[in-house]
Amino acid sequence: GNSVTQMEGPVTLSEEAFLTINCTYTATGYPSLFWYVQYPGEGLQLLLKATKADDKGSNKGFEATYRKETTSFHLEKGSVQVSDSAVYFCALSGPTDSWGKLQFGAGTQVVVTP
Amino acid sequence: NAGVTQTPKFQVLKTGQSMTLQCAQDMNHEYMSWYRQDPGMGLRLIHYSVGAGITDQGEVPNGYNVSRSTTEDFPLRLLSAAPSQTSVYFCASSKSGGPNQPQHFGDGTRLSIL
Repeated sequence: GNSVTQMEGPVTLSEEAFLTINCTYTATGYPSLFWYVQYPGEGLQLLLKATKADDKGSNKGFEATYRKETTSFHLEKGSVQVSDSAVYFCALSGPTDSWGKLQFGAGTQVVVTP
Repeated sequence: NAGVTQTPKFQVLKTGQSMTLQCAQDMNHEYMSWYRQDPGMGLRLIHYSVGAGITDQGEVPNGYNVSRSTTEDFPLRLLSAAPSQTSVYFCASSKSGGPNQPQHFGDGTRLSIL
């Protein structure tokens, strides 16, 4: 079945540092890929998505590229801020299962210090 | 602009008690789902619904019941609470189950079973 593997945290960075969170997936066909972010005490919010190979999702300075050849969807940001401290989840859906059923990675906690 | 509303936010139960977690959305979304979040495991799908009157099991359905009598509401019932059901529960909705439809999450219910 589908699965998502992402790097373990916590990842601790200084403000303005470069952030990368690795995410790889196992799925048949071409799933849709997502990054969700969870701020303390809140639910998950969609950060960005990509629905086909070579698509690049971007939002709030974050980017991720759908790489079919390496089955990866790594999240990057060039200069993090303290407000980026959160837990980040990589997720996929479809295509052999319902598109609405999300398969999540374990989550990566990011801590950004001033 | 309520989005997805979950109640209660916190609950403590004794083993064997039953309760219902409420979820309501005001976006006229067809697709609704329940996830549980446990440390190191990401979110796992419990049950989902593709429309009023239609529900199906997710990855971890045992011990939980759902029903969908209206488009807006999707309650989750714990029949006989067990300590293993201590978790944070999230309800989510999307317009449809399609590949481009992001899930909208509530703020969660933190449940402790003693």
